[in-house]
Amino acid sequence: DTGVSQNPRHKITKRGQNVTFRCDPISEHNRLYWYRQTLGQGPEFLTYFQNEAQLEKSRLLSDRFSAERPKGSFSTLEIQRTEQGDSAMYLCASSLSGETGELFFGEGSRLTVL
Amino acid sequence: QQPVQSPQAVILREGEDAVINCSSSKALYSVHWYRQKHGEAPVFLMILLKGGEQKGHEKISASFNEKKQQSSLYLTASQLSYSGTYFCGTEMDSSYKLIFGSGTRLLVRP
Repeated sequence: DTGVSQNPRHKITKRGQNVTFRCDPISEHNRLYWYRQTLGQGPEFLTYFQNEAQLEKSRLLSDRFSAERPKGSFSTLEIQRTEQGDSAMYLCASSLSGETGELFFGEGSRLTVL
Repeated sequence: QQPVQSPQAVILREGEDAVINCSSSKALYSVHWYRQKHGEAPVFLMILLKGGEQKGHEKISASFNEKKQQSSLYLTASQLSYSGTYFCGTEMDSSYKLIFGSGTRLLVRP
C-alpha cells in the first residue's frame, strides 16, 4: 500500500489555461474526495465520489471545475480557464465506507496561476 | 456551516497541556480531528461519534458534547512532535464528507 498519490505535485500556469490533476487512491478505497486548501485555511470541500458516482459537488465550485472517476479507480480534477484565485493546494483523500471514517490524504497538487 | 475553532494559535513549553475547541451551529453526526505539519498532508487523529464518547490514545484525547455540538481536543504533557496545525472536521451524515475549521496552530517549544 503506497498511500494516496497525486500528480503533478506542482503546476504553474498562465491565467486562462486549463489544468488537470490526477489522484490515485488507496486501491481498496471506494470513496474519493477532492479538497482545496489555501494558506492558513482548512481544507475546503470540492466534491466526492463513491466508486465511479459523483455524489456531491460543492455549490462554491464554479462550472470551470470538473471531476471524474472512471471505473471507480483514479480520479481527475480539471480546471478550465484558470484564474489567479484558483491558486491553491488541491488535496485528494480516500476512504473505505463502513470503516472508521478516516480520510487518507495525498500530499497534494500545488497550483500557481500567474 | 464551517465549524469554529478556538484558539487560533497556541504556544506551549514541552510538557504543558492544551485544549482546542471546535463548535458547530448545525447538528452533527461526527467530529474528526486531523493534524497537519507544514508542507505535509493532514493526518487523521480520531473520530468522535455523537453520543459524547471520549476517545483517545496516549496523551491525545477528545470529547464530543452532542447537545452543544462542540468537540474538544486535549493534548496532555505536550511533546515537540505535537507541533502543527490542528483541524476539526464536522460531518452531518455518514458520507464522510467533512467540513473543516480554519485550524489551530500549535507550537511546542523545548
